[in-house]
Amino acid sequence: DAGITQSPRHKVTETGTPVTLRCHQTENHRYMYWYRQDPGHGLRLIHYSYGVKDTDKGEVSDGYSVSRSKTEDFLLTLESATSSQTSVYFCASGPSQNTEAFFGQGTRLTVV
Amino acid sequence: GESVGLHLPTLSVQEGDNSIINCAYSNSASDYFIWYKQESGKGPQFIIDIRSNMDKRQGQRVTVLLNKTVKHLSLQIAATQPGDSAVYFCAENRQGGSEKLVFGKGTKLTVNP
Repeated sequence: DAGITQSPRHKVTETGTPVTLRCHQTENHRYMYWYRQDPGHGLRLIHYSYGVKDTDKGEVSDGYSVSRSKTEDFLLTLESATSSQTSVYFCASGPSQNTEAFFGQGTRLTVV
Repeated sequence: GESVGLHLPTLSVQEGDNSIINCAYSNSASDYFIWYKQESGKGPQFIIDIRSNMDKRQGQRVTVLLNKTVKHLSLQIAATQPGDSAVYFCAENRQGGSEKLVFGKGTKLTVNP
C-alpha cells in the first residue's frame, strides 16, 4: 500500500465547531484529493490539490476549505460543522492526473 | 436490481461465473479511466486502468472495455470468487479547467458460494 494516512480515523464533534482532518503521504505525490462518501452518492470530490499551495474546488466544496503548505500534507477544514457533513472522508494522492490515485483508510466524522 | 437503502446498483453472481459491471461517463474529453474496488470499512483499491487511446485492457482475471462512442466503460471479472464481493467504482479523469478524478456511484457485487 502507498504511504497515505489519515487522522483522526474517527471523530465526533458538535454542530458549529471547527474540525480539521489531516492527510499525510510519503510518496512525494503531486496530486492530493479529499472525497466524502455517503450512501447513495458514492465518492464525491470536495477539493483537490495539484501542488503546494495549488488547490481547486470539487463538486461539493461548500462548507469546506483546504490547505497544502507541504507536498506531504493536505488538510481539510470544516469551519463550522453541520449535521449534513456527517460522512466518511477519504483522502487520496497520485503522482499525476493521468495515473491511479491511492486512498487512505478514511475518517468517519459524526456531527451531533 | 437496486438495493433499497443504499441506492446502489447491485449484481449477484454465483462463484465461478463471470461478472460484468458497467459504468457510463459524462465527459467526452475524459482521457483516463480507473476501476476501483472497495471492501467494507476500507478505502478504494486500484484494480485496473485504461487510457482513451485504447479499447480494451486485460489484467489478472479482469478486463476493462472502453467504448468512447457511447461513453461506456465495463469491468469484466472472470471466474468470480467470494473475495471479489465489494463495491466497484469507475473513475474518470475529467478534463476542463484543472483536471480531476471523478467517481461514479458504484455497483455492489455479491458473490454467492
